[in-house]
Amino acid sequence: AQTVTQSQPEMSVQEAETVTLSCTYDTSENNYYLFWYKQPPSRQMILVIRQEAYKQQNATENRFSVNFQKAAKSFSLKISDSQLGDTAMYFCAFMIWGNMLTFGGGTRLMVKP
Amino acid sequence: KAGVTQTPRYLIKTRGQQVTLSCSPISGHRSVSWYQQTPGQGLQFLFEYFSETQRNKGNFPGRFSGRQFSNSRSEMNVSTLELGDSALYLCASSPGPDRANYGYTFGSGTRLTVV
Repeated sequence: AQTVTQSQPEMSVQEAETVTLSCTYDTSENNYYLFWYKQPPSRQMILVIRQEAYKQQNATENRFSVNFQKAAKSFSLKISDSQLGDTAMYFCAFMIWGNMLTFGGGTRLMVKP
Repeated sequence: KAGVTQTPRYLIKTRGQQVTLSCSPISGHRSVSWYQQTPGQGLQFLFEYFSETQRNKGNFPGRFSGRQFSNSRSEMNVSTLELGDSALYLCASSPGPDRANYGYTFGSGTRLTVV
């Protein structure tokens, strides 16, 4: 079974600063997918960024980038130029093709003005 | 293009009752998955349907059931409600089984409170 661990229950960052959210996972699979989802107070889970395990290049989406370390089973999310609208719960998730998402416990991020 | 629609948004039920939650996927999406979100257990997978067939099921008791209709709309049912069933129930849709590449689109959930 796969497990996903987010060791930071809460974090805060000043507006315009950079913050990194940590995620580690455990699996015996070699091909899989990793995701970061954002859940604002509206409750809808929104996909932030996606990484395929067989790709060594780290994924980037505008101000969001990941540091994927396959050997260490680590998948951290870096948010640059933090904005007030980034305040939300962030979930790291793991998926093997054809299966369901396995989520971490989440990190509550507060962006302060 | 309308998103994933879940109804109702809020629901209060009494222990022992049953409840039905509804999810309308994005038009053209044929795969629907359900997740339960609680403060204690986090996000847990309930089940997944594709073309009216259950493809995967999570580790939940038989009181939790679901189905998918020919128009891809899905319902989940919880019978004999317990206090521990209080949760946010999230539905997610995808064009097909290849959710890893197509991704999920989530709805805003149904907040169920059991009293």
